[in-house]
Amino acid sequence: AQRVTQPEKLLSVFKGAPVELKCNYSYSGSPELFWYVQYSRQRLQLLLRHISRESIKGFTADLNKGETSFHLKKPFAQEEDSAMYYCALKTGGTSYGKLTFGQGTILTVHP
Amino acid sequence: GAGVSQSPSNKVTEKGKDVELRCDPISGHTALYWYRQRLGQGLEFLIYFQGNSAPDKSGLPSDRFSAERTGESVSTLTIQRTQQEDSAVYLCASSPWMESQRDIQYFGAGTRLSVL
Repeated sequence: AQRVTQPEKLLSVFKGAPVELKCNYSYSGSPELFWYVQYSRQRLQLLLRHISRESIKGFTADLNKGETSFHLKKPFAQEEDSAMYYCALKTGGTSYGKLTFGQGTILTVHP
Repeated sequence: GAGVSQSPSNKVTEKGKDVELRCDPISGHTALYWYRQRLGQGLEFLIYFQGNSAPDKSGLPSDRFSAERTGESVSTLTIQRTQQEDSAVYLCASSPWMESQRDIQYFGAGTRLSVL
């Protein structure tokens, strides 16, 4: 069965410092990985997906199949990045499909 | 435009009662998903509907849980004989039909269910 692990429940950094939120997955098929974010009093929303290879709000994530990881990185954290971050894995091999979520990491960026 | 709408936003019920949770997806979205989030945990998949295909019910935790969807619109998640462990936030999400965006899920604000 597939599984997503986010080892850090809480992560605190200071503004301007680099930040890395870790995500590891286990899945025997071809994975599709996502990062979703939930800001305070807002809905869960997509931050980025590995197939897009985009940088969103300064965040990037590279899928490393050898290490089965999809860590989220930003070189200079901002206070507005404070939020709950979820790593998610889509399985099934079709365009649609259910997501398996990690337990989430609360990121706090201090001024 | 309007996002995914869920009602009620909060529901308090007594153990043993049945509850119905409603989800209105974004207009035109063909796929609809239900997830559950217990306190301090990640989201757990429950069920998903896509077009006229048979729903994927593989995440439903017991036969007390069921869900229906009318065409490509409203969905109702029903929990019968509620138990205290059913207390959670129930989230609904939908995905558009465009090939390039089918893997993106748009979430509602959730229904917080408390079973006393």
